[in-house]
Amino acid sequence: AQKITQTQPGMFVQEKEAVTLDCTYDTSDPSYGLFWYKQPSSGEMIFLIYQGSYDQQNATEGRYSLNFQKARKSANLVISASQLGDSAMYFCAIAIGTSYGKLTFGQGTILTVHP
Amino acid sequence: GAVVSQHPSRVICKSGTSVKIECRSLDFQATTMFWYRQFPKQSLMLMATSNEGSKATYEQGVEKDKFLINHASLTLSTLTVTSAHPEDSSFYICSARRQGQINQPQHFGDGTRLSIL
Repeated sequence: AQKITQTQPGMFVQEKEAVTLDCTYDTSDPSYGLFWYKQPSSGEMIFLIYQGSYDQQNATEGRYSLNFQKARKSANLVISASQLGDSAMYFCAIAIGTSYGKLTFGQGTILTVHP
Repeated sequence: GAVVSQHPSRVICKSGTSVKIECRSLDFQATTMFWYRQFPKQSLMLMATSNEGSKATYEQGVEKDKFLINHASLTLSTLTVTSAHPEDSSFYICSARRQGQINQPQHFGDGTRLSIL
């Protein structure tokens, strides 16, 4: 079975600084997708970025980039130029196989951005 | 705008009541939808996979008679918490994914906060 580990229960960053949220995964399936979601206190899940296991380049979406190190089985999220609105819970998730169906989530990291 | 709609957003009811939660895909057909449960400050745990036109697939430890899932159309899945008790109080959230492109993410509803008194 697949597993996702987020070892940082909480992270603090100064506004306008960059921050890295760690995520490691474990799966024996060669085909998988890695996702990052943001969950504000209101509860909705906001999709941020995706990385496929066969993708050669790191994914980027605006201020979000994914530092994908396949050999180390890590998929860290980098948020550049942090904003106060970035304060939220962040989840890393993995989906197995080409169907990319059900997601297995990590424990989450609470990010707090200070002014 | 939202591509998955979940209703109601909040329910407060007495112990013993059955509660139905709806999850709709708004502009695409979803043969498969997923139901998650989340306790405060914890991660999302998959409860079951809802399959259009067939029985749901439940994760280990989830009581299928307690959490009834119906996926009668390609755009609607419902979760009914039967005879709810205080320990069923939680945040329930559904998701669905557009078929086709391999990198399509799961789109989530806004969740339902269930409080059983």
